[in-house]
Parts: sequence; structure tokens; C-alpha cells
Amino acid sequence: KQEVTQIPAALSVPEGENLVLNCSFTDSAIYNLQWFRQDPGKGLTSLLLIQSSQREQTSGRLNASLDKSSGRSTLYIAASQPGDSATYLCAVQNTGNQFYFGTGTSLTVIP
Amino acid sequence: DTGVSQDPRHKITKRGQNVTFRCDPISEHNRLYWYRQTLGQGPEFLTYFQNEAQLEKSRLLSDRFSAERPKGSFSTLEIQRTEQGDSAMYLCASSPRYSAEKLFFGSGTQLSVL
Repeated sequence: KQEVTQIPAALSVPEGENLVLNCSFTDSAIYNLQWFRQDPGKGLTSLLLIQSSQREQTSGRLNASLDKSSGRSTLYIAASQPGDSATYLCAVQNTGNQFYFGTGTSLTVIP
Repeated sequence: DTGVSQDPRHKITKRGQNVTFRCDPISEHNRLYWYRQTLGQGPEFLTYFQNEAQLEKSRLLSDRFSAERPKGSFSTLEIQRTEQGDSAMYLCASSPRYSAEKLFFGSGTQLSVL
């Protein structure tokens, strides 16, 4: 069974700092990997999707990379803002239809 | 695009009662997923539909849980004889035909079993 791990579990940074969130997975036979954002008590919003043949995706201040062979992905957030405060989850989709989620990184950006 | 809609947003019930949740996916999405999330954890897969067919069901899902998607549109998730351990956020997500597309989540139904 695919296992997804996210480190760190929580992160607190001052506004304006660049930061990196990490995601690792045990089975490299993935179809794609997605990064999500979740605000307290709400559903998840997809931020970036990286297909297995891709190395990275960018959207605004966000950049996600994928190293399928080593089972790792990173989410880079540039010039962090208080509005970025949320929980960030990564999820991998194997060649079946299930998505396997990590437990998330809770990010706090301090003004 | 009205997004994925879930109803109700919150449900409080007594142990032993039955509850039913509804999910309306984005209209052109033929894939629909149910997940359960407890505090501090990532979403856990429950079941998956492609159109009206239930193609996968988690082995962790007890027989008290059942889901339907009649006519391949909205879906319902029913929990019979609720237990305190069923307390969680129940999330619905949909995606278009091609599995490389993004998952779109609803806001979830928060279930509290007293």
C-alpha cells in the first residue's frame, strides 16, 4: 500500500520568507502527484498537479517539483504572506484510481 | 461552474442513529470520490464511482457504510447505527473523465456522534 509522509508537521515563518514543504511516498509507480491547501474546517483546494512524466509545475509564487525515482516532492512558496497560512497536503495517485494523502504540514506565516 | 456541493455542512446525531449525506459533483465530472478526515490526519479513501458504477470500496469500510450514485449524478453516503468513532469530516470530490485531472473537493460534512 502506498504511504505518504509530510515533513515538517508544522512550520512557522515570518512574512516574506521563502519556504519548502516536503512530501515523500513509498511506491514510485505513481500516475500523478497533487498539492492541496486546506483552511480550517473547509475542503481541499488543488494548487498544483504534476504528472509522472513531469519534473515540476509552477503557479504564481508556488513551485512544485517531483523526483519519482526517489519518491519525493517539494512545494516551494516564495515571499510568504499571512494569507498563505493553512494546511498543505500532498496526494499521489497510483495507476488505479485511489489518491493517497499525507497528514499535511500546518503553515503559519507571522505578519 | 458551481463547484462540488455537500449537504448538510454539519450533522449531530446520537449513537445508534442512521445518517445520510449528499454530494452534488461538478456537472460534467463523471468520477466521484468519498473521503473521511479526522483532526490532524489526511483524507482517507472510502469509495469511488465512475458514473453510476461503484468501482472501488475501501477494505476499512465497515458494512454499516453504503454509498450510491443513481443515474451517475449526485451521490449519497449512508452510515447505519452510528458509533462515536464515526465522528469525522466526510469529504466528497469529483474529477473529469481523464484521471490526470485535478480533484475538486466540496466543503465537507462534519459529523459528530454523541
